[in-house]
Amino acid sequence: DTAVSQTPKYLVTQMGNDKSIKCEQNLGHDTMYWYKQDSKKFLKIMFSYNNKELIINETVPNRFSPKSPDKAHLNLHINSLELGDSAVYFCASSQAATEAFFGQGTRLTVV
Amino acid sequence: GDSVTQMEGPVTLSEEAFLTINCTYTATGYPSLFWYVQYPGEGLQLLLKATKADDKGSNKGFEATYRKETTSFHLEKGSVQVSDSAVYFCALRIKEYGNKLVFGAGTILRVKS
Repeated sequence: DTAVSQTPKYLVTQMGNDKSIKCEQNLGHDTMYWYKQDSKKFLKIMFSYNNKELIINETVPNRFSPKSPDKAHLNLHINSLELGDSAVYFCASSQAATEAFFGQGTRLTVV
Repeated sequence: GDSVTQMEGPVTLSEEAFLTINCTYTATGYPSLFWYVQYPGEGLQLLLKATKADDKGSNKGFEATYRKETTSFHLEKGSVQVSDSAVYFCALRIKEYGNKLVFGAGTILRVKS
């Protein structure tokens, strides 16, 4: 059973399009995150939700909008995609201050 | 602000060599410390962790000790294998700020047979 699953795994799209990435966790965790990994492997947090409430919102363009319909899901919607949005996006979850579990990542390529 | 600094890679070793990847941190609170590993094409997996000073985390032959006096959490393994080739990330968790994980830049490890 996959603990944190993201879909799709690969996403190729044109500039200006709007796309969504979905994330689901079956671990019963109360906190979920989105991280962005750039081409140099650097990881940076984007958002965090705790019990469906936004608790971390780093300096991210407002074209990026997270949505958490329930504790087990955290989706990421991106409007007006730009070339610079190309990266691998990771979803993760944790229970309070315990370790985070990561999904397999979504490789987004904007052409 | 809170940050993690790792040694730059890539680190290239022969099989059975000793591995050290240095990690130092800056934190205002009392962080927990982690090492994550990312194999090619995969997500991050927790390798080991330590939640307070002098704790030693260990897993799969890897070890790291939380040293508050030197603000370090160096990763070591006595004898690496080709299958250890991956990217290793040191991270700290700040409980006071939404349990945010702050990652180091990652260190690529390549092990040759």
